[in-house]
Formats: sequence, structure tokens, C-alpha cells
Amino acid sequence: ETGVTQTPRHLVMGMTNKKSLKCEQHLGHNAMYWYKQSAKKPLELMFVYNFKEQTENNSVPSRFSPECPNSSHLFLHLHTLQPEDSALYLCASSQAIAGGPYEQYFGPGTRLTVT
Amino acid sequence: KQEVTQIPAALSVPEGENLVLNCSFTDSAIYNLQWFRQDPGKGLTSLLLIQSSQREQTSGRLNASLDKSSGRSTLYIAASQPGDSATYLCAVRPAIKAAGNKLTFGGGTRVLVKP
Repeated sequence: ETGVTQTPRHLVMGMTNKKSLKCEQHLGHNAMYWYKQSAKKPLELMFVYNFKEQTENNSVPSRFSPECPNSSHLFLHLHTLQPEDSALYLCASSQAIAGGPYEQYFGPGTRLTVT
Repeated sequence: KQEVTQIPAALSVPEGENLVLNCSFTDSAIYNLQWFRQDPGKGLTSLLLIQSSQREQTSGRLNASLDKSSGRSTLYIAASQPGDSATYLCAVRPAIKAAGNKLTFGGGTRVLVKP
């Protein structure tokens, strides 16, 4: 088990629902990341936070809304998703980006199914 | 834009055979390259990280080589075991610090080792 945890591990939601994914890291890191892994596409970066500030938004649709209240927690708020948003969502953390690059440590992921 | 390709997409071998997994990248300006293992529905476990100045890295039965100028890396797994069955991902980190700590992933090679 890594020092990065994610909840829930599985989530099924309808297109009109609102839900949130949670990530927590216990490694003392200051940078956190959301990745999306679809069935037929490589892992792709969605968002990056460094010291609670968003530093990267990889053209992600607004139905995905990240939140980073502190360096240990990262959320991904979901609303009015589409079936094609079904994927494995992975969280990662690393030391602060400045002075890096630093190795990223991944959580186990949340398997999301949109019906 | 960096692109990472892994061929083959899937590989099946009998137990005891050596595994050879290939990764190619289009932009040789990388800081390092990392190999990950992913079990079904799970997160990523880092296997080996090779700095751009290195030619290879070894850990137990695993050996990874890097030829930065030709944009290639190879992961060798000696004497494969059924427990090696998983998807193997390679990822590169850009050399430019302004690019932050972004990883670009390949699509992965799904490996099945048959007893």
C-alpha cells in the first residue's frame, strides 16, 4: 500500500448526479496530481496543484472541478458527467515542483462508471 | 509534443521465458524515464527510474536500458513468473524545468505469464 489513498475505490453515478473523489497523501509532499486512465487511451494528466495552487489544467471540461484545501488533500468534484467520462481516476503526489522534477507516487485509483 | 509508444500492446509468454518490453518516445529532451507496473484496476507501482545520463538500471530480475538519442527504452524481466502478469507502463519526464513535473505515458503493454 502506498502513502497515497483514494476514496471511494469504486463509484457508479448517473449523468445528473454530483459526487466527489477524494485523495489524501501521507508523504509530506506539496504537489498533487489528478490523472485519467480510459480504456483505450494512455494515462493523461488532468490537473496539477503545487502548494495548494493550481498550476496545470490540461483542457479539462468544467464538469470536473478540482479542489486542494491543503497540501495533503485533493478533491475532484464531478457533476453532469457523460458516459465517456467512465475511467480510472488516479491521484499522485510529489515533492514541491520548484527545484524538481521529483518522482510521483500514485494512489490506487477510483474506478468511475457513469450510467 | 512528446509522444510515447509501447509495442506490443499485449504479450503472452510461458513461465520461465524472458520478457522484453519496448518503449519509444519522440522528443529526446527528457529528464528521466520511469517504468511502472499496474495490476488490474489498481494504481501504479514504480519499478525503475532511469536518469537521462544513465544507460541502464537494474533491480532484481528487472533491467531497464535507455538510449536517449534514439528515443528508446527497453525493460527486461528475466525468468518470468505468473506473478509478473500485469500491465507495464513507461513514462517520460521533460528536461525543461518550465514544463513542471509532467509525465507523458505510453499506452502500456499487457503481459500474461502462463504457468
